[in-house]
Amino acid sequence: ETGVTQTPRHLVMGMTNKKSLKCEQHLGHNAMYWYKQSAKKPLELMFVYSLEERVENNSVPSRFSPECPNSSHLFLHLHTLQPEDSALYLCASSQAGQGADEQYFGPGTRLTVT
Amino acid sequence: GDSVTQMEGPVTLSEEAFLTINCTYTATGYPSLFWYVQYPGEGLQLLLKATKADDKGSNKGFEATYRKETTSFHLEKGSVQVSDSAVYFCALIFKAAGNKLTFGGGTRVLVKP
Repeated sequence: ETGVTQTPRHLVMGMTNKKSLKCEQHLGHNAMYWYKQSAKKPLELMFVYSLEERVENNSVPSRFSPECPNSSHLFLHLHTLQPEDSALYLCASSQAGQGADEQYFGPGTRLTVT
Repeated sequence: GDSVTQMEGPVTLSEEAFLTINCTYTATGYPSLFWYVQYPGEGLQLLLKATKADDKGSNKGFEATYRKETTSFHLEKGSVQVSDSAVYFCALIFKAAGNKLTFGGGTRVLVKP
């Protein structure tokens, strides 16, 4: 595997379900990010982890719970979601502290909440 | 706060046409600037970048020049192909602001044969 991978690519869940999104980066980076991309809205930064510590939480509802067990893996745990949470969830990574810190994105998980 | 404004789409072109997507930014200081592209059903891919004034980023026939005077980073391609159909995002990052990547709203480009 190369770059940033995300699983699953598609997920349909009911409002009472609990599920997790997984992201893995194979780039040796030290920072990872979760973004939400909804139709007709700008990309929203949700969480930032740097050196496995959460450094940003942009007022995200508690029904979204991130976990970063090591520098290569990032999870987003979901529970009791609402239909408006349906979106494309993108993971990204970067090597913070070097150069322009460009972020590399995974293909995303398309989430539908029914 | 920092912000990025880019032209709304969709932009519809014929193959071999010239493409320009305008992007302007508001920031205190000198951020690094990026263009990302999102093809249908995929995540964002870094297309090009520029880290200081007058830098020109280029990739796959696309170019953009960091213009400090006009706080702009317009994307251009001289001859587009059907495969360039995608959504293009302009973005900036500020190391002093915790490396937060600020995106524009995206511009959908449709190239017709």
